[in-house]
Amino acid sequence: QQQVKQSPQSLIVQKGGISIINCAYENTAFDYFPWYQQFPGKGPALLIAIRPDVSEKKEGRFTISFNKSAKQFSLHIMDSQPGDSATYFCAASKWNSGNTPLVFGKGTRLSVIA
Amino acid sequence: DTGVSQNPRHKITKRGQNVTFRCDPISEHNRLYWYRQTLGQGPEFLTYFQNEAQLEKSRLLSDRFSAERPKGSFSTLEIQRTEQGDSAMYLCASSPGTGGAWGYTFGSGTRLTVV
Repeated sequence: QQQVKQSPQSLIVQKGGISIINCAYENTAFDYFPWYQQFPGKGPALLIAIRPDVSEKKEGRFTISFNKSAKQFSLHIMDSQPGDSATYFCAASKWNSGNTPLVFGKGTRLSVIA
Repeated sequence: DTGVSQNPRHKITKRGQNVTFRCDPISEHNRLYWYRQTLGQGPEFLTYFQNEAQLEKSRLLSDRFSAERPKGSFSTLEIQRTEQGDSAMYLCASSPGTGGAWGYTFGSGTRLTVV
């Protein structure tokens, strides 16, 4: 079964707009939720991450919103730029259980057009 | 040390052949992970090591797959009797073992094509 569900599959946003990607998880034992950015031919790179003790985390143009009761979290990219065009993956793991392997969503291909 | 290094970057092999990939983690990282990524999908966990000990293996890791990390440094992933379904990007990642996945760094992967 898919433990982390990600949507949308693809997203087209105008330059300067807001990109929003959503994820939902099933396992309530998950307590660490990172987002990764991947360019073609490269491995995923950590973008931003959140623990469930906060509802929002912001780093520059990137913000994670977290809703523990709904078991959902989302990535917002403000002032989206063409250089943000990439595939984004949400993931989850059990931090308090000793850094268990990450479970990834299926990814969202973001295209930012001028 | 500039990051996680994986070799080769690309490998084309005939069905039934054996292949071996190498991963060199960030030197101070004691955890090393292998993931597999197929086109249009997120990475899927295969196995991981804490130093030289293999701590967990996914059900995806069939008996044709074997991974080693001698002396807790580099790691190899071998696939025996390759099948077309093995075609994928094989990603290696390393982390310090503390601080969760905050220090989780991926390599650029080895793309395997089985023909």
